[in-house]
Order: sequence, then C-alpha cells, then structure tokens
Amino acid sequence: NAGVTQTPKFRILKIGQSMTLQCTQDMNHNYMYWYRQDPGMGLKLIYYSVGAGITDKGEVPNGYNVSRSTTEDFPLRLELAAPSQTSVYFCASSYSRTGGDTQYFGPGTRLTVL
Amino acid sequence: QQQVKQSPQSLIVQKGGISIINCAYENTAFDYFPWYQQFPGKGPALLIAIRPDVSEKKEGRFTISFNKSAKQFSLHIMDSQPGDSATYFCAASIKNNDMRFGAGTRLTVKP
Repeated sequence: NAGVTQTPKFRILKIGQSMTLQCTQDMNHNYMYWYRQDPGMGLKLIYYSVGAGITDKGEVPNGYNVSRSTTEDFPLRLELAAPSQTSVYFCASSYSRTGGDTQYFGPGTRLTVL
Repeated sequence: QQQVKQSPQSLIVQKGGISIINCAYENTAFDYFPWYQQFPGKGPALLIAIRPDVSEKKEGRFTISFNKSAKQFSLHIMDSQPGDSATYFCAASIKNNDMRFGAGTRLTVKP
C-alpha cells in the first residue's frame, strides 16, 4: 500500500493564479481531510469529506474548494492564489471519523505564492 | 482562538534524558487526545493517544499523562534518543468533530 500520496511536492504560484493539489489514498478510507500547516501554528483543517460526493468546510475554508468524485481522490483547488495561502498542505485519511480513529497523513505539498 | 495550547515551542535534551511536552485544552467536551510525531519533509504520524477515562498510557518509551481536572495532558519520552528528534504535536477532538492541533514542539536530542 502506498498510503496517502500527494502531488506536487513543491509549487510556486504567482498572485492570482490557480492550481489543484492532488491527493490519493489506497486504503479504502471513507474520510479524507485537507490541512494547512503554518510555522508555529500547528495544523488547521481546511475541508473534509465523509465519502464520495460529500464534502464540508473545516476551520479555514476561505479561498479553497474541494471535490470528492471517488473514494480514492480528494483534490484541493486554489482559486486566485494569495500570499496568505503560502503554506504546507497535508492531505489525510481515516477509516471513520469517530474520535479515536487514526488519521494517516500524506507527505505534504509546499506551496509558495509570490 | 487556540483551543489546544502546547509548550514549549522547542526543547533540547541530552541523549538518555527525559523529554516532556505539555498541552492544555479549553473545551471539556474533547474526548480523544492524540500525539503526532513529524519528521522534516514528512507528514505527521500518530505516536500515541489517550482517552479521558484513564490518567496515563504507556507505549514503550512514550507515556501520556492526563489530568482531566486541570485540562492538561503531557507527553513524556524516556531515555530520549537522537532518532526521537522531530516535531511533536498534541491534538484534541470530539467524537465526529474536527481535530484541533497544538502549535508543535521541536525536539532536539543531542548525542
């Protein structure tokens, strides 16, 4: 099993550009998440999905969009990139969302917006 | 509003020493408290977790101590090794709800 994979690993965007961060998991997990990690701030939840076709906002959703057409894939879309979106983005998945279920994280995408 | 406060931001420990990282939470509804370990360039990985119905959980050299009345929990790493050098995050969640992370502690274990 590859676990959770993310592409690209690094990306530099200009202000106003858009891009899609890809996330794929091969563990047949129902739940998937997108976090951003800023220095000294821990991880903050952007969006999550409880299954194909169902998504919901997390703590910091503004400026992002997601879709979940399959169990395996959960892409994160950035429209009109802004410097405030410079961060490291992590995708994660879990079998369920009940408290106590392990979230498995991908290796991250480091995004810089200039 | 930071729901989980973690300290210290950074910690340097000699090989063989004890590393202690502390977290405090505000929401008494939290019912699951995991610790994640993150190496540079990697995603966080679950290290150990505890529920509020127990005061301590030990897995190898790693121990979580939980104080429900004080709304605090801590990670103790016994016999710290250079390979333990990483960033550690505490977190808290409510059943079927978001997981809230602390800001992280960068641990350096000197040989």
